[in-house]
Amino acid sequence: GAVVSQHPSWVICKSGTSVKIECRSLDFQATTMFWYRQFPKQSLMLMATSNEGSKATYEQGVEKDKFLINHASLTLSTLTVTSAHPEDSSFYICSARDRGGAGNEKLFFGSGTQLSVL
Amino acid sequence: GQNIDQPTEMTATEGAIVQINCTYQTSGFNGLFWYQQHAGEAPTFLSYNVLDGLEEKGRFSSFLSRSKGYSYLLLKELQMKDSASYLCAPMDSNYQLIWGAGTKLIIKP
Repeated sequence: GAVVSQHPSWVICKSGTSVKIECRSLDFQATTMFWYRQFPKQSLMLMATSNEGSKATYEQGVEKDKFLINHASLTLSTLTVTSAHPEDSSFYICSARDRGGAGNEKLFFGSGTQLSVL
Repeated sequence: GQNIDQPTEMTATEGAIVQINCTYQTSGFNGLFWYQQHAGEAPTFLSYNVLDGLEEKGRFSSFLSRSKGYSYLLLKELQMKDSASYLCAPMDSNYQLIWGAGTKLIIKP
């Protein structure tokens, strides 16, 4: 089956630093990638949607200057949390939609990144 | 508005059967997904229904009634490893998944 590789799995950083999270589709072309955040015991919250070669679309309440998303190719999207603060500590998950996935629009998820900001 | 309603938590016994219900309201409809999520991990795909009826896949089955805005996930021969959260996620007219908080399933020996 399709695989989405996300790394790092865990990151601990100091307040004020920036953290980059990568998400790669390994065996398919991802026309669209989604970035989610999930706080403990809460539902997935969509942060932004990115299409290859165009600017990401951010959900209401998500600061685009703080959460920089780049989707430069059909297999790679990155999320950079700039000037991270403790309240940004969360589980970040990417997912990708297979370009050839006509019919069920199934999403493939990365393994997630647990970010802890001290 | 768009919303998902699932029980917050359910408990079942190993070897038994459990049904997790989900009702939803969305702007348009392009199918409904069920995902399993273990604590601290990303969701994994279980099933997708776009037409009414029951889809069976091994120990897991999923049912959809579009007219009622209702779906359920049926898990048979429960195993301890099935302890997880189960997320019902309908897809709206913009092909966006609408996520609820999921149902935490606890399996007891």
